[in-house]
Formats: sequence, structure tokens, C-alpha cells
Amino acid sequence: EAGVAQSPRYKIIEKRQSVAFWCNPISGHATLYWYQQILGQGPKLLIQFQNNGVVDDSQLPKDRFSAERLKGVDSTLKIQPAKLEDSAVYLCASSPIRGRGNEKLFFGSGTQLSVL
Amino acid sequence: SQQGEEDPQALSIQEGENATMNCSYKTSINNLQWYRQNSGRGLVHLILIRSNEREKHSGRLRVTLDTSKKSSSLLITASRAADTASYFCATTREYGNKLVFGAGTILRVKS
Repeated sequence: EAGVAQSPRYKIIEKRQSVAFWCNPISGHATLYWYQQILGQGPKLLIQFQNNGVVDDSQLPKDRFSAERLKGVDSTLKIQPAKLEDSAVYLCASSPIRGRGNEKLFFGSGTQLSVL
Repeated sequence: SQQGEEDPQALSIQEGENATMNCSYKTSINNLQWYRQNSGRGLVHLILIRSNEREKHSGRLRVTLDTSKKSSSLLITASRAADTASYFCATTREYGNKLVFGAGTILRVKS
């Protein structure tokens, strides 16, 4: 079974530039999550999708971050414009059961973003 | 905000020794999960324990949960160099559906 695919693996941009990350979850997984992990901290949930609808985006900085999951499969996360404090690893995860939090998450390897 | 707090922040042991990591949380939970993260990789699920369970085993892993103290521990027995990683606890609040991670414990197993 293929795992959660993420690209790119690394990205370096200057502040105020735009960047986009892509995620393809495990086939058949209904729930998709984007987490931000700052160095030395645990992952912080940015947004949670159930199929192609948003379940939770309470911690997404909506003035600069946006995410979509067209057709309920793969997803993109965009930052526009980027700030220095956005430097982090962006992790995508998926789970097979509706996102009630009782099931385990399968994570991709993440995209490491450096904003200079 | 992070629900769980892991202790210690970092742990260094010799191969073959046991490693114990603790997690404390603030609100009533539905379940608690432990994940491992190798350097530069994503997180891997290790074990899930529900609020009505007190202890769970999986291979060399033993997890306990004390809801009265709002704490959990992860024990790795007979550690190996390959166990070197960061370990995170994550909780789902009672009546919630969001999984919230702690800051993690960095474990180094020396061979």
C-alpha cells in the first residue's frame, strides 16, 4: 500500500513570496490533515478535510494561508505572502475513518520550508 | 495550543536499557496516542489507548494511562539504536475530534 505522498521535499523562498505544497493521501482515506511543525515543537493542526469539505480550520492563518481538496482526493496548501515565522515542516496526514479523532493518522514525510 | 506536555524533553540511554517517557495533559480526553518521528521524516503511529483503558502493550512498547492524574507513560524495553527518534503523545479531548500533539521527547539510544 502506497503511503501519503508529499512534494516538494524542500523549499527555500524569500519573505513575501508565495509557495504551494501538494499532498496525495492514501487511496480511500476520507480525512486529510495539514499540520505545521516548527523546529523543536510538536505538530500543530492547520486544517482538516472530510472528503472535500473543511471540518476544522480554526488555527489556519486565513489572511495568508489557503488550502483546498478538490474532488476529495489530493490537496494543496498555499502560503501567500510568506513570513519568516512560516519556516517549518508542513506535514500532510490522512486517515481512513471519518475524522472523529479516534483513529490513527498516517503521515507523509513532509515539506521543509525555509523563508529567508 | 498544545494539550500534552512530554517529560523529559530529552533522554539518552545505552542500548539494551529501558526508556520511559511521560505525558501530562490538561483536559478530559477520549483517547491518547503515541507517535514516533525519525529525523527528517513524518510521524508513525505506535499505539492508541482509550480513556477507559489503563494499560496496553505492543511488542516492546508498554503504555499506561492514569486519567485521575491526567498522565500517560510510554515504556520501551530493551532499547535498540533504531529506537533513536522523537516521541510525541497526542490527545483527543472528550467530545472533541481534533488530535493535539505535545512537544515531544527526544530519545537517543547509544550503541
